Amino acid sequence: GAVVSQHPSWVICKSGTSVKIECRSLDFQATTMFWYRQFPKQSLMLMATSNEGSKATYEQGVEKDKFLINHASLTLSTLTVTSAHPEDSSFYICSARDKSQGNTEAFFGQGTRLTVV
Amino acid sequence: AQSVTQPDIHITVSEGASLELRCNYSYGATPYLFWYVQSPGQGLQLLLKYFSGDTLVQGIKGFEAEFKRSQSSFNLRKPSVHWSDAAEYFCAVGARSNDMRFGAGTRLTVKP
Repeated sequence: GAVVSQHPSWVICKSGTSVKIECRSLDFQATTMFWYRQFPKQSLMLMATSNEGSKATYEQGVEKDKFLINHASLTLSTLTVTSAHPEDSSFYICSARDKSQGNTEAFFGQGTRLTVV
Repeated sequence: AQSVTQPDIHITVSEGASLELRCNYSYGATPYLFWYVQSPGQGLQLLLKYFSGDTLVQGIKGFEAEFKRSQSSFNLRKPSVHWSDAAEYFCAVGARSNDMRFGAGTRLTVKP
């Protein structure tokens, strides 16, 4: 199946700094990518939908100035957590839909564990 | 609006016993339905999916699921559980080009 690579797998950063998480589709083109956040022992909550070449669509309650999303190419979307605080600590997962497969299935990255100290 | 309900937060079964994880969905049209498994600290692995056609879907690792439109359900089953099946299981509903909505998840514990 298609592969989505997320980097880094884990990151620890100091409060007030920014962290960038990359999501790459390795062997397919993804017009649309999605970013999810998962709190411990909870489900995945959609944060935003990232469309190549246009602005991301954020879910209600997600601060777009804090969680910057860039989808500059058909194989790469980035999520930047700006001025991170401890409450931003979470597991972030991206997914991408394969354009050539009619966008019918989403493939998930392995996730990024962010810890803000 | 689309939504998914997984009524069971935590299920414990003995190794070798059968398993059924429940999933109910709410969607305006024929949904795309998915079951994913997540091991601790890992991403999601697709077990199986339903788009159309045969309502009994076979997946990986011996799992299967049945789509029942009348009950708005897509329950996951396995005839004989292995200790390695212990994980978190998520049911999800989505549509072409749209995002996916996930259930709260069911944590499976397997007793020796």
